[in-house]
Amino acid sequence: NAGVTQTPKFQVLKTGQSMTLQCAQDMNHNSMYWYRQDPGMGLRLIYYSASEGTTDKGEVPNGYNVSRLNKREFSLRLESAAPSQTSVYFCASGGRTGGFATNEKLFFGSGTQLSVL
Amino acid sequence: GQQLNQSPQSMFIQEGEDVSMNCTSSSIFNTWLWYKQDPGEGPVLLIALYKAGELTSNGRLTAQFGITRKDSFLNISASIPSDVGIYFCAGQFLGAGKSTFGDGTTLTVKP
Repeated sequence: NAGVTQTPKFQVLKTGQSMTLQCAQDMNHNSMYWYRQDPGMGLRLIYYSASEGTTDKGEVPNGYNVSRLNKREFSLRLESAAPSQTSVYFCASGGRTGGFATNEKLFFGSGTQLSVL
Repeated sequence: GQQLNQSPQSMFIQEGEDVSMNCTSSSIFNTWLWYKQDPGEGPVLLIALYKAGELTSNGRLTAQFGITRKDSFLNISASIPSDVGIYFCAGQFLGAGKSTFGDGTTLTVKP
Protein backbone atom coordinates (compact mmCIF):
# COMPACT_ATOMS: atom_id res chain seq x y z
CA ASN A 1 0.00 0.00 0.00
CA ALA A 2 2.59 2.58 -1.10
CA GLY A 3 0.07 5.14 -2.45
CA VAL A 4 2.06 8.14 -3.74
CA THR A 5 5.83 7.91 -3.52
CA GLN A 6 8.09 10.94 -3.94
CA THR A 7 11.85 11.06 -4.20
CA PRO A 8 14.07 12.54 -2.91
CA LYS A 9 12.86 13.52 0.58
CA PHE A 10 15.40 16.35 0.91
CA GLN A 11 17.58 18.20 -1.61
CA VAL A 12 19.96 21.13 -1.51
CA LEU A 13 20.88 22.83 -4.78
CA LYS A 14 23.05 25.73 -5.78
CA THR A 15 21.54 28.50 -7.88
CA GLY A 16 21.55 27.46 -11.53
CA GLN A 17 21.67 23.72 -10.94
CA SER A 18 18.99 21.46 -12.36
CA MET A 19 17.16 18.53 -10.86
CA THR A 20 14.12 16.32 -11.32
CA LEU A 21 11.67 15.38 -8.61
CA GLN A 22 10.16 11.95 -9.13
CA CYS A 23 6.63 10.85 -8.27
CA ALA A 24 4.85 7.53 -8.73
CA GLN A 25 1.40 6.32 -7.72
CA ASP A 26 0.08 2.78 -7.55
CA MET A 27 -3.67 3.54 -7.33
CA ASN A 28 -4.35 3.57 -11.09
CA HIS A 29 -5.45 7.21 -10.94
CA ASN A 30 -5.75 9.23 -14.12
CA SER A 31 -4.93 12.63 -12.58
CA MET A 32 -1.64 13.70 -11.05
CA TYR A 33 -0.53 17.03 -9.63
CA TRP A 34 2.49 18.97 -8.40
CA TYR A 35 2.05 21.56 -5.63
CA ARG A 36 4.45 23.74 -3.74
CA GLN A 37 3.89 24.79 -0.14
CA ASP A 38 5.36 27.95 1.33
CA PRO A 39 4.70 29.30 4.84
CA GLY A 40 1.40 31.19 4.98
CA MET A 41 0.61 30.55 1.32
CA GLY A 42 -1.05 27.17 1.44
CA LEU A 43 -0.76 24.79 -1.50
CA ARG A 44 -0.17 26.32 -4.90
CA LEU A 45 -0.61 24.24 -8.03
CA ILE A 46 2.42 24.15 -10.33
CA TYR A 47 1.35 21.71 -13.05
CA TYR A 48 -1.16 18.93 -13.40
CA SER A 49 -1.93 16.05 -15.70
CA ALA A 50 -5.57 15.09 -16.13
CA SER A 51 -4.64 11.89 -17.94
CA GLU A 52 -1.68 10.08 -19.43
CA GLY A 53 -0.26 12.12 -22.29
CA THR A 54 -1.62 15.50 -21.17
CA THR A 55 -0.17 18.22 -18.96
CA ASP A 56 -1.43 21.70 -18.07
CA LYS A 57 -0.11 24.72 -16.25
CA GLY A 58 -1.38 25.54 -12.81
CA GLU A 59 -1.12 28.71 -10.77
CA VAL A 60 2.70 29.01 -10.57
CA PRO A 61 4.33 27.15 -13.52
CA ASN A 62 7.24 29.51 -14.28
CA GLY A 63 10.64 27.88 -13.87
CA TYR A 64 9.27 24.33 -13.97
CA ASN A 65 8.61 21.61 -16.52
CA VAL A 66 6.79 18.32 -16.11
CA SER A 67 6.64 14.95 -17.80
CA ARG A 68 3.84 12.42 -17.51
CA LEU A 69 6.01 9.42 -18.31
CA ASN A 70 3.17 6.90 -18.08
CA LYS A 71 0.01 6.50 -16.01
CA ARG A 72 2.01 5.87 -12.83
CA GLU A 73 4.73 8.49 -13.02
CA PHE A 74 4.74 12.29 -13.11
CA SER A 75 8.05 14.13 -12.76
CA LEU A 76 8.82 17.79 -12.04
CA ARG A 77 11.99 19.37 -13.40
CA LEU A 78 13.76 22.54 -12.36
CA GLU A 79 16.06 23.48 -15.26
CA SER A 80 17.92 26.31 -13.51
CA ALA A 81 17.11 26.48 -9.82
CA ALA A 82 16.60 29.86 -8.12
CA PRO A 83 16.39 30.73 -4.40
CA SER A 84 12.69 31.60 -4.94
CA GLN A 85 12.11 27.92 -5.62
CA THR A 86 13.07 26.97 -2.09
CA SER A 87 9.92 25.24 -0.88
CA VAL A 88 8.29 21.96 0.03
CA TYR A 89 7.00 20.14 -3.05
CA PHE A 90 4.09 17.71 -2.97
CA CYS A 91 2.95 15.32 -5.62
CA ALA A 92 -0.65 14.10 -5.53
CA SER A 93 -2.88 11.79 -7.50
CA GLY A 94 -6.64 12.17 -7.85
CA GLY A 95 -9.23 9.46 -7.26
CA ARG A 96 -12.96 9.70 -7.89
CA THR A 97 -15.14 10.48 -4.88
CA GLY A 98 -18.85 10.62 -4.16
CA GLY A 99 -19.76 8.60 -7.21
CA PHE A 100 -19.40 11.62 -9.48
CA ALA A 101 -17.34 11.43 -12.64
CA THR A 102 -15.66 14.77 -12.11
CA ASN A 103 -15.12 14.99 -8.37
CA GLU A 104 -11.74 13.99 -7.01
CA LYS A 105 -10.12 13.43 -3.67
CA LEU A 106 -6.38 13.85 -3.62
CA PHE A 107 -3.79 11.47 -2.23
CA PHE A 108 -0.53 13.22 -1.41
CA GLY A 109 3.04 12.03 -1.16
CA SER A 110 5.10 12.92 1.89
CA GLY A 111 6.87 15.81 0.18
CA THR A 112 10.31 16.94 -0.95
CA GLN A 113 12.01 19.71 1.00
CA LEU A 114 14.12 21.67 -1.48
CA SER A 115 16.60 24.40 -0.58
CA VAL A 116 18.26 26.51 -3.28
CA LEU A 117 21.29 28.44 -2.07
CA GLY B 1 -5.32 29.61 -2.51
CA GLN B 2 -6.35 32.64 -4.50
CA GLN B 3 -10.10 32.01 -4.54
CA LEU B 4 -10.71 30.73 -1.03
CA ASN B 5 -10.49 32.66 2.23
CA GLN B 6 -9.80 30.35 5.14
CA SER B 7 -9.97 31.55 8.73
CA PRO B 8 -8.61 31.76 11.24
CA GLN B 9 -5.03 31.57 10.00
CA SER B 10 -3.91 29.99 13.30
CA MET B 11 -5.41 28.82 16.56
CA PHE B 12 -3.89 28.10 19.96
CA ILE B 13 -6.26 26.13 22.17
CA GLN B 14 -6.27 24.08 25.34
CA GLU B 15 -6.74 20.34 25.16
CA GLY B 16 -10.43 19.50 25.50
CA GLU B 17 -11.69 22.67 23.83
CA ASP B 18 -13.81 22.70 20.71
CA VAL B 19 -12.48 24.23 17.49
CA SER B 20 -14.25 25.94 14.59
CA MET B 21 -12.79 27.06 11.29
CA ASN B 22 -14.31 28.08 7.98
CA CYS B 23 -13.73 28.77 4.33
CA THR B 24 -15.50 31.29 2.14
CA SER B 25 -15.40 31.84 -1.58
CA SER B 26 -16.74 34.33 -4.08
CA SER B 27 -17.48 31.38 -6.38
CA ILE B 28 -19.96 28.54 -6.08
CA PHE B 29 -18.41 25.12 -5.58
CA ASN B 30 -20.18 21.81 -6.05
CA THR B 31 -17.80 19.90 -3.77
CA TRP B 32 -16.01 20.92 -0.59
CA LEU B 33 -13.20 18.86 0.94
CA TRP B 34 -11.27 19.19 4.18
CA TYR B 35 -7.71 17.90 4.54
CA LYS B 36 -5.32 17.69 7.49
CA GLN B 37 -1.55 17.91 7.24
CA ASP B 38 0.53 16.47 10.07
CA PRO B 39 3.99 17.98 10.56
CA GLY B 40 6.42 16.64 7.95
CA GLU B 41 3.74 14.83 5.96
CA GLY B 42 1.42 15.43 3.02
CA PRO B 43 -2.25 16.39 3.53
CA VAL B 44 -4.77 13.61 4.12
CA LEU B 45 -8.47 13.82 3.31
CA LEU B 46 -10.76 14.12 6.36
CA ILE B 47 -14.21 14.82 4.98
CA ALA B 48 -15.83 15.35 1.56
CA LEU B 49 -19.14 17.23 1.08
CA TYR B 50 -21.28 17.06 -2.05
CA LYS B 51 -24.58 18.87 -1.41
CA ALA B 52 -25.55 22.29 -0.11
CA GLY B 53 -26.57 22.00 3.55
CA GLU B 54 -24.91 18.61 3.97
CA LEU B 55 -23.54 17.88 7.43
CA THR B 56 -20.99 15.07 7.68
CA SER B 57 -19.08 13.68 10.65
CA ASN B 58 -15.86 11.72 10.96
CA GLY B 59 -15.31 10.88 14.62
CA ARG B 60 -14.88 14.15 16.53
CA LEU B 61 -14.86 16.12 13.28
CA THR B 62 -17.98 17.61 11.72
CA ALA B 63 -18.08 19.56 8.48
CA GLN B 64 -20.89 21.40 6.74
CA PHE B 65 -21.46 22.47 3.15
CA GLY B 66 -22.92 25.98 3.32
CA ILE B 67 -26.40 26.66 1.95
CA THR B 68 -25.10 29.30 -0.44
CA ARG B 69 -22.47 26.78 -1.73
CA LYS B 70 -19.87 29.50 -1.20
CA ASP B 71 -18.71 28.42 2.23
CA SER B 72 -17.90 25.44 4.40
CA PHE B 73 -17.22 24.88 8.09
CA LEU B 74 -15.16 22.38 10.07
CA ASN B 75 -15.64 21.74 13.78
CA ILE B 76 -13.46 19.61 16.03
CA SER B 77 -14.90 18.65 19.39
CA ALA B 78 -12.91 17.90 22.55
CA SER B 79 -9.50 18.54 20.97
CA ILE B 80 -6.55 16.29 21.78
CA PRO B 81 -2.80 16.81 21.19
CA SER B 82 -2.78 14.72 18.00
CA ASP B 83 -5.18 17.23 16.39
CA VAL B 84 -2.15 19.49 15.92
CA GLY B 85 -1.47 20.28 12.27
CA ILE B 86 -2.61 22.38 9.34
CA TYR B 87 -6.20 22.07 8.15
CA PHE B 88 -6.96 22.90 4.52
CA CYS B 89 -10.27 23.43 2.83
CA ALA B 90 -10.57 22.77 -0.89
CA GLY B 91 -13.35 23.44 -3.37
CA GLN B 92 -14.14 21.92 -6.74
CA PHE B 93 -16.22 23.43 -9.52
CA LEU B 94 -18.85 21.45 -11.37
CA GLY B 95 -17.27 19.48 -14.18
CA ALA B 96 -13.71 20.11 -13.02
CA GLY B 97 -11.77 17.65 -10.88
CA LYS B 98 -9.02 20.14 -10.06
CA SER B 99 -9.20 21.48 -6.48
CA THR B 100 -8.68 25.04 -5.25
CA PHE B 101 -7.11 25.16 -1.80
CA GLY B 102 -7.40 27.62 1.05
CA ASP B 103 -4.25 28.87 2.77
CA GLY B 104 -4.78 26.62 5.78
CA THR B 105 -5.51 26.95 9.50
CA THR B 106 -2.62 25.98 11.78
CA LEU B 107 -3.89 24.37 14.97
CA THR B 108 -1.82 24.13 18.15
CA VAL B 109 -3.22 22.20 21.11
CA LYS B 110 -1.71 22.81 24.53
CA PRO B 111 -1.92 19.85 26.92
